[in-house]
Amino acid sequence: NAGVTQTPKFQVLKTGQSMTLQCAQDMNHEYMSWYRQDPGMGLRLIHYSVGAGITDQGEVPNGYNVSRSTTEDFPLRLLSAAPSQTSVYFCASSYSTDRDRADYGYTFGSGTRLTVV
Amino acid sequence: AQSVTQLGSHVSVSEGALVLLRCNYSSSVPPYLFWYVQYPNQGLQLLLKYTTGATLVKGINGFEAEFKKSETSFHLTKPSAHMSDAAEYFCAVSLTGFQKLVFGTGTRLLVSP
Repeated sequence: NAGVTQTPKFQVLKTGQSMTLQCAQDMNHEYMSWYRQDPGMGLRLIHYSVGAGITDQGEVPNGYNVSRSTTEDFPLRLLSAAPSQTSVYFCASSYSTDRDRADYGYTFGSGTRLTVV
Repeated sequence: AQSVTQLGSHVSVSEGALVLLRCNYSSSVPPYLFWYVQYPNQGLQLLLKYTTGATLVKGINGFEAEFKKSETSFHLTKPSAHMSDAAEYFCAVSLTGFQKLVFGTGTRLLVSP
């Protein structure tokens, strides 16, 4: 049971390049999300998914695309990288929103540190 | 819109002293509440979470948090700090569960010998 796996761990892009950040979970979680972490700003929600084929925007979706073709995978695509997208990106997943369940909560990946030059 | 306020971007304590990290939320109904810890260059680890009916929530590593509806607070405490507790701590809240988890800006805990 690997939990939430993010690849790559580090990436340097040039302005204008595109790339995909990968996220996979093996816990059969329905819910998956992408966050970005910037100094002094905490984590902000980019996009989320409540199941295969269903995605929606979060707080800071501009410049990012997502899709959810399977339960396990939730890739994040940067269409045309900009220096403002330099950040640490975290993927998270959750099985249940019933807070009385023992397994209620979110599991985070270890992050992808992205630098756009 | 719901929001989370963590008072103090940095908190310094001596080893063995009480740790108190503050978190206030804005919500008219009891939300979902979490505390996460992040060690340098690592992901987020769940410390504890608020569940229905419990006002005092116990988490890992000796941490606990008290839910006070009247004060809209969910402060994190630990009776005696260890050097290994040095990390950044995030309070997070959601009204609807998973979809829109809102994080505070974080508090960096510094522990001195």
